[in-house]
Amino acid sequence: GQSLEQPSEVTAVEGAIVQINCTYQTSGFYGLSWYQQHDGGAPTFLSYNALDGLEETGRFSSFLSRSDSYGYLLLQELQMKDSASYFCAVLGGEYGNKLVFGAGTILRVKS
Amino acid sequence: DVKVTQSSRYLVKRTGEKVFLECVQDMDHENMFWYRQDPGLGLRLIYFSYDVKMKEKGDIPEGYSVSREKKERFSLILESTSTNQTSMYLCASRPTGPIIHQTQYFGPGTRLLVL
Repeated sequence: GQSLEQPSEVTAVEGAIVQINCTYQTSGFYGLSWYQQHDGGAPTFLSYNALDGLEETGRFSSFLSRSDSYGYLLLQELQMKDSASYFCAVLGGEYGNKLVFGAGTILRVKS
Repeated sequence: DVKVTQSSRYLVKRTGEKVFLECVQDMDHENMFWYRQDPGLGLRLIYFSYDVKMKEKGDIPEGYSVSREKKERFSLILESTSTNQTSMYLCASRPTGPIIHQTQYFGPGTRLLVL
């Protein structure tokens, strides 16, 4: 089976940097994804790491260490609109077509 | 622009009723998924399908079945609803392609209340 662990809540101030960690246990690992979900909205894709290292997309970066079964999402220059839930998700299954999500981290950005 | 639509945004049903939740995607994606989302539990995979008439159980298939007769449409069926199936149901689709491109697109969700 697959299981993912991430903090339930994180609070930070505008302009700060925050890191959301994710550890996973899985069989058949292809990569780690991150999704953002605002209240009442659908999850939207942020990033995907298949290989070890850091991927940067604007203010957001995502890191993966396959040997440690660990990844994180780094959000820089936090803005109020970044207040949302963030989910890590493992792509696995026999053919890499199954995406399993963690319980999510609620990020609250304060002014 | 990828579009995933779900037949209803809100549904209220009584225990024991049958429910069909329909999902349609317009981007010719091979893979389609049904999740339920509950507070503190994240998104849990119910069933997924990687081709027409193909289906695989996710992590919580009990009490659910699915149907994929056409590539663009994936239905979730609750044969006899129970109160513990009150939840937000999210449909998603994703193309089969290079592993590096793994964006999954979600529909707006159906909030089901079973009384």
